[in-house]
Amino acid sequence: DQQVKQNSPSLSVQEGRISILNCDYTNSMFDYFLWYKKYPAEGPTFLISISSIKDKNEDGRFTVFLNKSAKHLSLHIVPSQPGDSAVYFCAASVSGTASKLTFGTGTRLQVTL
Amino acid sequence: DTAVSQTPKYLVTQMGNDKSIKCEQNLGHDTMYWYKQDSKKFLKIMFSYNNKELIINETVPNRFSPKSPDKAHLNLHINSLELGDSAVYFCASSQARRGHNEQFFGPGTRLTVL
Repeated sequence: DQQVKQNSPSLSVQEGRISILNCDYTNSMFDYFLWYKKYPAEGPTFLISISSIKDKNEDGRFTVFLNKSAKHLSLHIVPSQPGDSAVYFCAASVSGTASKLTFGTGTRLQVTL
Repeated sequence: DTAVSQTPKYLVTQMGNDKSIKCEQNLGHDTMYWYKQDSKKFLKIMFSYNNKELIINETVPNRFSPKSPDKAHLNLHINSLELGDSAVYFCASSQARRGHNEQFFGPGTRLTVL
């Protein structure tokens, strides 16, 4: 039973354009969401997070949007750069100290020149 | 400065052997985790320790035994290795606080069981 889903396994975007990565979840207890970026042969790198009390969080070129009623979040990257090419994982957790992260299966983003 | 480090990076071994993976974090965090990424690239929690106390133990065979000698270290020992144990194992750490759960990951250990 996969509680966090990323339905697009891959996405290709031109440099300078917007990349939009989507994530859906089923567990209504989730109240903290994170995006990680992963390069081959490296560990996931934390990008940005959002609490369920917000619907938007922005950090430089990265913005995460949360739609609780739809149980949907998205990561916007503007403008996309070639160095953004990586696998992006959405993760969710339930508030509490030291909670586990439940990950989606990832979306491979390729930013082309 | 490496925040979360793991050794070894690659581990190739025969079925039936016993092996250990070590993890260390220098972030001053009080919580550490082991995750497994299987062949389908699905990352799943295995264990978590908070202040050296086991707090998360997912459905993992008891051939896997984590050990936390102190807050900065969390090792994973695997007995009687099986082919299905082949995967990438990631260690992570976080500072437990309500409303936040940013976890920081090590580079991973790719385990291949022949």
